[in-house]
Amino acid sequence: DQQVKQNSPSLSVQEGRISILNCDYTNSMFDYFLWYKKYPAEGPTFLISISSIKDKNEDGRFTVFLNKSAKHLSLHIVPSQPGDSAVYFCAASGDNNNDMRFGAGTRLTVKP
Amino acid sequence: KAGVTQTPRYLIKTRGQQVTLSCSPISGHRSVSWYQQTPGQGLQFLFEYFSETQRNKGNFPGRFSGRQFSNSRSEMNVSTLELGDSALYLCASSLDSGEGGYTFGSGTRLTVV
Repeated sequence: DQQVKQNSPSLSVQEGRISILNCDYTNSMFDYFLWYKKYPAEGPTFLISISSIKDKNEDGRFTVFLNKSAKHLSLHIVPSQPGDSAVYFCAASGDNNNDMRFGAGTRLTVKP
Repeated sequence: KAGVTQTPRYLIKTRGQQVTLSCSPISGHRSVSWYQQTPGQGLQFLFEYFSETQRNKGNFPGRFSGRQFSNSRSEMNVSTLELGDSALYLCASSLDSGEGGYTFGSGTRLTVV
């Protein structure tokens, strides 16, 4: 059962514009959320995380927003760059961080 | 520092065979998790090992098993392979807390024919 859902399999944006990737979860016990970025033929790499005590975490061009009441989080990339083109996975875990659930991923294409 | 190393990178097996995949974590990381990635299901959790003990297990049949050695290296074994086992198998290592996320290996692509 998909406890973490990324309903958009793909997203295309113009270079310099904002990319918004969305993620929904169903398990209210999740309290730690992460975004991973994956290039073809490589394993995912950690991008940014947020714990449930926060509603926003920012790291350079990347910002993650968490709406606990809606069980929704989003990743904003601004400005988007062609090198950001990759698959982005949303992940969530409970308080022991040991059993992480991943979304299916969203393929982001940033056009020059 | 060296990343997470998974071997082999590619593997082709026939149905009914068994396979063993290896994962060497980042030095100092004691937790190793295994994931299966398929186009339709995304990343699915298989199991996690910490200090040679399986700490968590996902919803996979008993044909999927693993172990961890004293140097934190981990192996995953799949017996009686089925066509549906074809996937990219990823392992990830982390410090015990998992804080800061996991470091993934490049994966082993298993094809069952």
